[in-house]
Amino acid sequence: AQKITQTQPGMFVQEKEAVTLDCTYDTSDPSYGLFWYKQPSSGEMIFLIYQGSYDQQNATEGRYSLNFQKARKSANLVISASHLGDSAMYFCAMREPGGKLIFGQGTELSVKP
Amino acid sequence: GAVVSQHPSRVICKSGTSVKIECRSLDFQATTMFWYRQFPKKSLMLMATSNEGSKATYEQGVEKDKFLINHASLTLSTLTVTSAHPEDSSFYICSARDGTSGRANNEQFFGPGTRLTVL
Repeated sequence: AQKITQTQPGMFVQEKEAVTLDCTYDTSDPSYGLFWYKQPSSGEMIFLIYQGSYDQQNATEGRYSLNFQKARKSANLVISASHLGDSAMYFCAMREPGGKLIFGQGTELSVKP
Repeated sequence: GAVVSQHPSRVICKSGTSVKIECRSLDFQATTMFWYRQFPKKSLMLMATSNEGSKATYEQGVEKDKFLINHASLTLSTLTVTSAHPEDSSFYICSARDGTSGRANNEQFFGPGTRLTVL
């Protein structure tokens, strides 16, 4: 069975510093997709970044980058130059065949001024 | 990007009543929609997969008769919580998959969610 694990319930980071949010996954399917979403207190799910299992390079989207280590089955999110608006819940997710997403437990990020 | 709406955004109802939540894809055709449930500070749990014109596929442990899902058109799916009880209070989020454009990456778009409170 496919599984996504986020082991950090909460993280603190100083404003303007970088932070890494951990995510590991388990699947026997050779083709899969990994996603990171941000969920502020309003509840909306904001897509941040995507990594396909066959992508050769790590995905980047502005201040977000995904540290994809296929052999270790990890897909950590790196946020550079944090700012106060980055404070939110962050979810890692994996797409199963058929399109449904399974989510990790989430990490609550707090950015300190 | 594609837009998915949900209505209502917030609903408070009495125990025993039924509540309908709508999920609409506004600028694309959604062949598949997904319904998730989320408790405070917890992860999103998939409840069911809704395919246009066919019966929904429910995840293990989700009561089909309790959570009725209808996907009557390519732009609308509805979730009806029947005979709601306080334990059904939760945040319900839908997502829609664009089945026509061939997007491979972020092809699933989330609605803003509906907060249900059952008194």
